[in-house]
Amino acid sequence: EVQLVESGGGLVQSGRSLRLSCTASGFSFGDDAMSWVRQAPGKGLEWVGFIRSKVNGGTTEYAASVKGRVTISRDDSKSVAYLQMNSLKTEDTAVYYCTRASHAMGGDYRNYYMDVWGKGTAVTVSS
Amino acid sequence: DIQMTQSPSTLSASVGDRVTITCRASRSVTRWLAWFQQKPGKAPKLLISDASSLESGVPSRFSGSASGTDFTLTISSLQPDDFATYYCQQYNSYPWTFGQGTKIEVK
Repeated sequence: EVQLVESGGGLVQSGRSLRLSCTASGFSFGDDAMSWVRQAPGKGLEWVGFIRSKVNGGTTEYAASVKGRVTISRDDSKSVAYLQMNSLKTEDTAVYYCTRASHAMGGDYRNYYMDVWGKGTAVTVSS
Repeated sequence: DIQMTQSPSTLSASVGDRVTITCRASRSVTRWLAWFQQKPGKAPKLLISDASSLESGVPSRFSGSASGTDFTLTISSLQPDDFATYYCQQYNSYPWTFGQGTKIEVK
């Protein structure tokens, strides 16, 4: 079964750091891109960032709202993707979802769709 | 950034109804658009990718179409399990962006 499990969420003070993990199983993790999406309480979905597979350069893309404060990385030997968040703000309070991002057929380096989602991990940033 | 505008924000419907949700992009996203279903307290689920490709295991009552920068998700006959919030999302260019969501509620 294809599965993603997030961990590492919790309550953290504003200005501190937190690292979320996403453990994958049931597919060839190293062959796939991964992405993070968040959802603030009662709000819609917001894309956070993305990391390509190593064979496609392992490069990353980030939303402007988190760029410079967030780093996405991966450890293919462990089938884990990470979301390192620094200088946390109260507006970073959200459920954070890890997703697999599959390359769209006929698309270029930007065109991936998020086809597998984890159940999410909640992050609360207090002031 | 590409803005995705969904309409309506809320839709009241009954079981058996044909339901249509529209998503308009602020500029071209070609066919790089996905639709997701989300139920309260659950993760989103991919229904459709590439504007009209139904994901494996998704009931055939769901369909997607495109016309220029307008995209449509249609549920041909609403079932009890379909009451949820639906989001469109473009993956044509960074940053990937979502519509604000359409909640289908019981009429």
